[in-house]
Amino acid sequence: RKEVEQDPGPFNVPEGATVAFNCTYSNSASQSFFWYRQDCRKEPKLLMSVYSSGNEDGRFTAQLNRASQYISLLIRDSKLSDSATYLCVVTKPSGGSYIPTFGRGTSLIVHP
Amino acid sequence: EPEVTQTPSHQVTQMGQEVILRCVPISNHLYFYWYRQILGQKVEFLVSFYNNEISEKSEIFDDQFSVERPDGSNFTLKIRSTKLEDSAMYFCASNGRGRYGYTFGSGTRLTVV
Repeated sequence: RKEVEQDPGPFNVPEGATVAFNCTYSNSASQSFFWYRQDCRKEPKLLMSVYSSGNEDGRFTAQLNRASQYISLLIRDSKLSDSATYLCVVTKPSGGSYIPTFGRGTSLIVHP
Repeated sequence: EPEVTQTPSHQVTQMGQEVILRCVPISNHLYFYWYRQILGQKVEFLVSFYNNEISEKSEIFDDQFSVERPDGSNFTLKIRSTKLEDSAMYFCASNGRGRYGYTFGSGTRLTVV
């Protein structure tokens, strides 16, 4: 099983749609969880951290299920500018620090 | 907002040559990382660095790679003898607490010809 697994997509949705991405991770000792956004040929940028209680930031909602080792991201009212690759990032403990491990990413295309 | 700065943005080198990629992490951060991303593929961990030494490295980070923090601000990745398959985007990242808020630089695109 891959360390961090995501459906690569692409997800092709109209403006205004709601879209959900899923991610699973294999290491039960993983400590922290994030969603990053990556535009073409650019660096990953932190979208939001993911907490056990679930958290929301505007149109974005993230959920974590530690028992199932599953993370989700929900985007409501999609905008054209949301088109990007969404990276699931999970940190695993290693030598006293934590190593962020990336999924392959899920591509989102929002069309007019 | 504090930034991680990487130079150069693009480097072209001949196979077998040495390259040094440079990074200036956020000033009060303690944990530093190098990642690479081959075009169309996932972001892959190379190495982490804490307290002036390597804390973890991946199987990609073989004897051809080395990292240094020579002067307390720069963090460098050296590839001793580049191969064609080293062509990739190399990202530096830093983190203040070892867990949260990893900030990435804009990357160096390395092309080996």
